[in-house]
Parts: sequence; structure tokens; C-alpha cells
Amino acid sequence: GAVVSQHPSRVICKSGTSVKIECRSLDFQATTMFWYRQFPKQSLMLMATSNEGSKATYEQGVEKDKFLINHASLTLSTLTVTSAHPEDSSFYICSARGWGAGRNTEAFFGQGTRLTVV
Amino acid sequence: AQKVTQAQTEISVVEKEDVTLDCVYETRDTTYYLFWYKQPPSGELVFLIRRNSFDEQNEISGRYSWNFQKSTSSFNFTITASQVVDSAVYFCALSDVGGSEKLVFGKGTKLTVNP
Repeated sequence: GAVVSQHPSRVICKSGTSVKIECRSLDFQATTMFWYRQFPKQSLMLMATSNEGSKATYEQGVEKDKFLINHASLTLSTLTVTSAHPEDSSFYICSARGWGAGRNTEAFFGQGTRLTVV
Repeated sequence: AQKVTQAQTEISVVEKEDVTLDCVYETRDTTYYLFWYKQPPSGELVFLIRRNSFDEQNEISGRYSWNFQKSTSSFNFTITASQVVDSAVYFCALSDVGGSEKLVFGKGTKLTVNP
């Protein structure tokens, strides 16, 4: 299957600082990337959808100024959590969809990033 | 609006037992995809299957099988002869086709397979 790499897998940061999470498609061109958030023992909730070269579309209730998404190339999208607070502590996971081997790929997921804000 | 319901929050079985994880969905779309993902304790989401709404054939892959019943809007997942390594949280998900194609997830079912 297609490979999506997410980095870092774990990060601890101080309250008030910003954290950047990277999501890369390794063997296909990701025209669309999705960012999800998962609180402990809960389901995944979509935060935003980004298409390469355009602004991200945020889900209702997600602060676009707090969760900055950049999808500048067909293989890389970044999520920056700005001025992080303890309530932002969560598991963030990206998925990517695009064209690989002449077919539309399923949405494959990165390994996830566990963010802890202290 | 799309919705996925996984009524079973947690299931515990003994190794070698068969187990079925239920998934019921709601959508107004006539064409859609249904997915199952496995999330082991490490956190990553492992893709198991994608089913197009036009394809109601049941599918078997090794010990895994899926029963898609459009009439009852269900897409159940059965693990035959469960193993300890099957312990994980399993998510059922739904997406439209040709639109945003974002995934709507159920709340997940935590499966524990005891030796």
C-alpha cells in the first residue's frame, strides 16, 4: 500500500510555544491531505482538508489561526499548532490521497503524532 | 449528514473464538465508500478494507471477512479464530465519492483477545 510518513511521532512542548508536524507521502503524489485529531479513547475527528496549492478547508469549530496548515507540495503537508496549551494535547494524525500507479489511492494514514503540552 | 455507529464499545474474547464487530451507517449519498481500520496500541491506523457501495459482495481475506448489507446499512467485520495480535481498536468509516471524500469515523470498538 501507499506510504505516508508523519513526523515527529511524539513531542512534548511548553505551553505557549508552537509545534510543527509534518506529513509526507513517500511513493505517490498527494493531491489531498486530511488532518485528524483523536482524544484519548475517542474517535478521530477531521480538523481540516488541504489540497495542494490552495488554502485548507477547516471543519466547524476548528480555529484556523491556531492550527495552521500548509500544503505547498504534492508530497508534504504541515500542521502547526500555534501557542499550544495543555488542552491541545492530543493525538494528531494525517492521511493522504492522490494518484499512484494510475489509480486514485485510498486514504492512507501516517503514524500519528502524540502531542503533550506541559 | 453522514454518521457511523459502532454500538460495541469494548469486546473481550478468548483466543480462537470468532468475533464480529458491528457497523451501521447513515448517508444520503447513493454512492459512497465504507472502510475498516485497525488501530493497535502504537496508534497508527492500519487500512483493512474499502468497499464501494455498488459492490455488495461479501469479502474474505484470510481470517477476516466483511458482510455488507445495504438493506440494513450495515458493514460488519468478522475475525475468525481470533489471535492475541488482533487486540486493537477497530474503526469503521464512511466517505462520499467524488466530493470531499473525507472520512467520517465511528467511535471504534476495542477488541481484547485473551490467551
